[in-house]
Amino acid sequence: ELKVEQNPLFLSMQEGKNYTIYCNYSTTSDRLYWYRQDPGKSLESLFVLLSNGAVKQEGRLMASLDTKARLSTLHITAAVHDLSATYFCAVEGYGGSQGNLIFGKGTKLSVKP
Amino acid sequence: SAVISQKPSRDICQRGTSLTIQCQVDSQVTMMFWYRQQPGQSLTLIATANQGSEATYESGFVIDKFPISRPNLTFSTLTVSNMSPEDSSIYLCSDLGTGERYGYTFGSGTRLTVV
Repeated sequence: ELKVEQNPLFLSMQEGKNYTIYCNYSTTSDRLYWYRQDPGKSLESLFVLLSNGAVKQEGRLMASLDTKARLSTLHITAAVHDLSATYFCAVEGYGGSQGNLIFGKGTKLSVKP
Repeated sequence: SAVISQKPSRDICQRGTSLTIQCQVDSQVTMMFWYRQQPGQSLTLIATANQGSEATYESGFVIDKFPISRPNLTFSTLTVSNMSPEDSSIYLCSDLGTGERYGYTFGSGTRLTVV
């Protein structure tokens, strides 16, 4: 059974600081997704990581994927209040076939002035 | 990537009743997916809906409780039947989006409260 573990589950940061969210998964998969969810809202796609060593950056967020270690990271640089949200990673189950996204429990990020 | 319109956005329902949630995609998509997000929890896949065939349900979800329709390539419905307070959740539909580049696109979600 594919399991996806995120840590930390809660993260309180000060503005301007850096931090990393970790996403470990238990079986082979070459596709990993990061999403953002604001309270009461749907999911916004942040990154799609398709291969080992993939690195993508958007603004203050950078995501990477190590398929050998079954690990993805979401790095936050110089956090600002607008980044406060819950961040989910997700991996496709069933040996990587399309459709069955297995989500981590999410990391609730709070950025304080 | 595709845009998915989902409605209703929220509803409060009496136990024992049923609610049908609709998702409309602005382009034709082969596969659509229905997820449940229980309060404070992550998302769990309920079923995959392909046009022209029966939906495929994940373990723990059954057709009698969550019947799904997929009459064409742009539309799908999920019905939550014989509701109980435990069904109070956010329900979301999604599709693959524009190939692999943009990942899965999600609808805006339906926040269901059963009283």
